[in-house]
Amino acid sequence: GNSVTQMEGPVTLSEEAFLTINCTYTATGYPSLFWYVQYPGEGLQLLLKATKADDKGSNKGFEATYRKETTSFHLEKGSVQVSDSAVYFCAPIYSGGYQKVTFGIGTKLQVIP
Amino acid sequence: EAQVTQNPRYLITVTGKKLTVTCSQNMNHEYMSWYRQDPGLGLRQIYYSMNVEVTDKGDVPEGYKVSRKEKRNFPLILESPSPNQTSLYFCASSSPLAGVYNEQFFGPGTRLTVL
Repeated sequence: GNSVTQMEGPVTLSEEAFLTINCTYTATGYPSLFWYVQYPGEGLQLLLKATKADDKGSNKGFEATYRKETTSFHLEKGSVQVSDSAVYFCAPIYSGGYQKVTFGIGTKLQVIP
Repeated sequence: EAQVTQNPRYLITVTGKKLTVTCSQNMNHEYMSWYRQDPGLGLRQIYYSMNVEVTDKGDVPEGYKVSRKEKRNFPLILESPSPNQTSLYFCASSSPLAGVYNEQFFGPGTRLTVL
């Protein structure tokens, strides 16, 4: 079956530091790739997405590039803020849509002033 | 406002007492799903539904039931809850027919404690 590997964390960074959260997946076929974010006490919300190889998704200063050859979708941000403290989930989802969905374990990010 | 709602948001119950967590979406989505979130285990899918009267098991279906009699509702039923079902539960919906992106929209979560 499909699987997603991402670091669990917690990842603790100082404000304005560079962030990378790795995500690799194993899957048959050609999924769309998503990063979701969960702020404290809230549900998950979409952060960014990419639907084909070499696409770059971006939002709120975060970026991730769909790397088909390495089956990876690493999340990056050049300068994190305290407000970025959250849990981040990676997920490959197929365009057919009618399938089981596997999320990564979630990476907790804590940004300190 | 487009949203997924869940009720109740918090529930404390005792072992063996049947309960239902409701989920409703107002976006006319075909796909709906239930997840549980546990420390160290991340988000795991319990059941999903591709449309009315069509459901299938996710990764952790044991101890749960679902039904999809209407497109907008997807209740999660625990016939005989046990302490290992203490968790944070999320409902989500999406519309695969709307395009290739399949963004899932999540409810606010239900924190369940089984004593």
